[in-house]
This record gives sequence, structure tokens and C-alpha cells, in this order.
Amino acid sequence: AQKVTQAQTEISVVEKEDVTLDCVYETRDTTYYLFWYKQPPSGELVFLIRRNSFDEQNEISGRYSWNFQKSTSSFNFTITASQVVDSAVYFCALTSLRGSGNTGKLIFGQGTTLQVKP
Amino acid sequence: NAGVTQTPKFRVLKTGQSMTLLCAQDMNHEYMYWYRQDPGMGLRLIHYSVGEGTTAKGEVPDGYNVSRLKKQNFLLGLESAAPSQTSVYFCASSYRDRRNNEQFFGPGTRLTVL
Repeated sequence: AQKVTQAQTEISVVEKEDVTLDCVYETRDTTYYLFWYKQPPSGELVFLIRRNSFDEQNEISGRYSWNFQKSTSSFNFTITASQVVDSAVYFCALTSLRGSGNTGKLIFGQGTTLQVKP
Repeated sequence: NAGVTQTPKFRVLKTGQSMTLLCAQDMNHEYMYWYRQDPGMGLRLIHYSVGEGTTAKGEVPDGYNVSRLKKQNFLLGLESAAPSQTSVYFCASSYRDRRNNEQFFGPGTRLTVL
């Protein structure tokens, strides 16, 4: 069975603080993709990043960075110097590519609500 | 390009009524999906389609039916709405190519069943 767990339901920080959102996944498959999506208060889902299971390099994009560790089945997301506009719900998701299972179905975590206060 | 669009944006139904949600994409994506979002549960897959004329069940398919008669459209039907189907519904689409498989989401449909 596949599962994504985001143990942090809500996080509240003050602007300019760094914050890390945790994501732990379970899968028996060796080939898979992990994703992060952002859902701002307006409600739409915005794609942030995709990482495949063969690429454990960390990635940085501006104030965002991602730490993928297969040894701990984690794909954590860090926002550096947070801003009020970062306030949103963030979802981690997993899709498997094993065999005929390449249907792209996403398994989502429960989401973490981040509130950045001015 | 409009991306992924959903119709309607909001709807209120009474228990037992039926309705159809329409999803349209203009990116020539092969795969399309319907998810529902409920508080504290993330998004859960209802049904999906890997091509025109094909559909399959997802994690929570009961009470819903789907059709994909055209590649660009994916319809979600509720034959007899129940209060448990009150939710926000998201449609998504993606390419079949695993190297380019991020899903693009529509703006969502907020459905309330009284």
C-alpha cells in the first residue's frame, strides 16, 4: 500500500523565520515520483516541484528548498525567510510507475496549513 | 491556453438530486482525474481516465460515475446526491509521459448537498 503522511497539521511562524514542512511516504515500488503542491487561500492547487526516486539531489528554487532522503522515506520542504504570501496549505503527493501502474494517480498527504504572521 | 477549467464553480443540491460536473483541458493531455478534497484528508482520487473512452475507479468511487467521450473533457456525475458528497471537487490532467507527468489542476467546484 502507498501512503503519504504530513504529520504537521498546522504551523504558525513569524515573517522572516525559516520553516520546514515534513513529508514521509510509504511505497514498495522502486520507481516513483514525489510532488509538492501549494493551495493558497484562493483555493487553486499550484505545482511546486517533482522529484523522481532515482534523483536524491536536493533542490533549491529561490527561497524554497527540498530535501529528498530515500533512507528515511522523506521529502521535506523548507521555506527560507518566510513571507506572508507563503501562507497556504501545502500538500505532498506520491505516484508510482511500477509495471502497468503508470496511470499517474496521486496519493496525497493530509496537508499542512502554514500561517505566516507579519 | 485556458489550462484546466471546471463548470460549475459552486452548486447546492438537495439530497437525491443529480448533477454533472464538467472538466475541460486544452493541453492535449492523455490522462485526466477527479479528486475530492475534505478537511483533514487531503485530496482523494474518485475516478480517472488514461484515454478517450476509458475510465477507472480510484480510491473513493462509490456514488459517482464518469465518462470521457472526448479527449479534452472528463465528466463527473452524481446520480443521487448525498450529504456525504459535500466537498470540493478538483479535476486534473497530465501527459502520459512519465518525464513530464505533473498534474495540472482546475480551480475546483464547491458542492454542498443539503
